[in-house]
Amino acid sequence: KNEVEQSPQNLTAQEGEFITINCSYSVGISALHWLQQHPGGGIVSLFMLSSGKKKHGRLIATINIQEKHSSLHITASHPRDSAVYICAVLDSIIQGAQKLVFGQGTRLTINP
Amino acid sequence: DARVTQTPRHKVTEMGQEVTMRCQPILGHNTVFWYRQTMMQGLELLAYFRNRAPLDDSGMPKDRFSAEMPDATLATLKIQPSEPRDSAVYFCASGFLLSGSLSGELFFGEGSRLTVL
Repeated sequence: KNEVEQSPQNLTAQEGEFITINCSYSVGISALHWLQQHPGGGIVSLFMLSSGKKKHGRLIATINIQEKHSSLHITASHPRDSAVYICAVLDSIIQGAQKLVFGQGTRLTINP
Repeated sequence: DARVTQTPRHKVTEMGQEVTMRCQPILGHNTVFWYRQTMMQGLELLAYFRNRAPLDDSGMPKDRFSAEMPDATLATLKIQPSEPRDSAVYFCASGFLLSGSLSGELFFGEGSRLTVL
């Protein structure tokens, strides 16, 4: 079983729809990242969060440490949001060191 | 506009050849990560450095891969000899590690796409 599980693996929606991508993890973490990878391959860090909620434009990320679960929401989705969204958790392995563990990614396609 | 710079962006080479990939982290960041991305495995951590010292390279095949930070502005990942299974996109990322935890965002380079024939 993967340490970080994302769902769904693929998601296709119409422009304007509200999108939710989920991430569940089984390891103890100090922080969680949501990354966006566009078809060109570049990776952008969207959020880093360790508790509560963060909002940036139409993107909202939440995390529940007790339930080991995070969600990424996109409001009023747009075709330019089409990308692979990757959840990554910082797994503390030894004191002072951290290992980033990735989910398998969610491929989002927003149709006009 | 600070960013992580990787070279080369694309590399095609023959099996057995040496490959060196370079990364210039963002000035002031003290942590550098090397990742590999393939269709089958997704993103995998290969190695990372804090203050130029290697902290974890357990994800790296030691017999052929080596990672170094000769100075604070340059990280290198070398494969010798290269094999077709090394074909992947290699990403470098930098951030700032404070008291055992990344205190801010991670910044990724655009990746080096390696094809080993």
